[in-house]
Amino acid sequence: QKEVEQNSGPLSVPEGAIASLNCTYSDRGSQSFFWYRQYSGKSPELIMFIYSNGDKEDGRFTAQLNKASQYVSLLIRDSQPSDSATYLCAVKGGSGGGADGLTFGKGTHLIIQP
Amino acid sequence: DTAVSQTPKYLVTQMGNDKSIKCEQNLGHDTMYWYKQDSKKFLKIMFSYNNKELIINETVPNRFSPKSPDKAHLNLHINSLELGDSAVYFCASSQSFPAAQETQYFGPGTRLLVL
Repeated sequence: QKEVEQNSGPLSVPEGAIASLNCTYSDRGSQSFFWYRQYSGKSPELIMFIYSNGDKEDGRFTAQLNKASQYVSLLIRDSQPSDSATYLCAVKGGSGGGADGLTFGKGTHLIIQP
Repeated sequence: DTAVSQTPKYLVTQMGNDKSIKCEQNLGHDTMYWYKQDSKKFLKIMFSYNNKELIINETVPNRFSPKSPDKAHLNLHINSLELGDSAVYFCASSQSFPAAQETQYFGPGTRLLVL
């Protein structure tokens, strides 16, 4: 059974600070890792994907992957109130090929305090 | 233009009824999915279709039957609706190759309430 674990929060961060979101996964064969943002009542929206160990930066967002520790994180720099949302970590396995579904964590509710 | 669209947006129905949800994508992707997000916001894969062929059926009751008439459409038919089927159903699509970099794009969701 593939599992993805996230702290449900809420995680409260002051505006302008760095928000750090963490995720662990159980399937060592996992190939790709995604962070989605979901506002209340809306659909998940892709923030970043990463598939190699190390860091990947895109604007204010940095994804970090450590396959040995089965750990993925997302850093949000200069946090804005508009970043307040639920952040979903998702993992794609390596066994089913390109049509694999994503296994999602339960999400971390992030609140940016003005 | 909406990349992944779903109809209807809201669906309120009685227990025991049969209903369908439709999904269309205009991204040229070859793979489409159905996900269920329950009341606790947990998002779980139900089905995956690649080039109109069923790839994944994740322990979903056989009251749920997906149908893919072509690569751009994936419909979900639900028979004998139960209270526990109340959830938000999301359609998603992706391109299956290269697999390591595939990204899934989600539709706006269909909010199903079974009374």
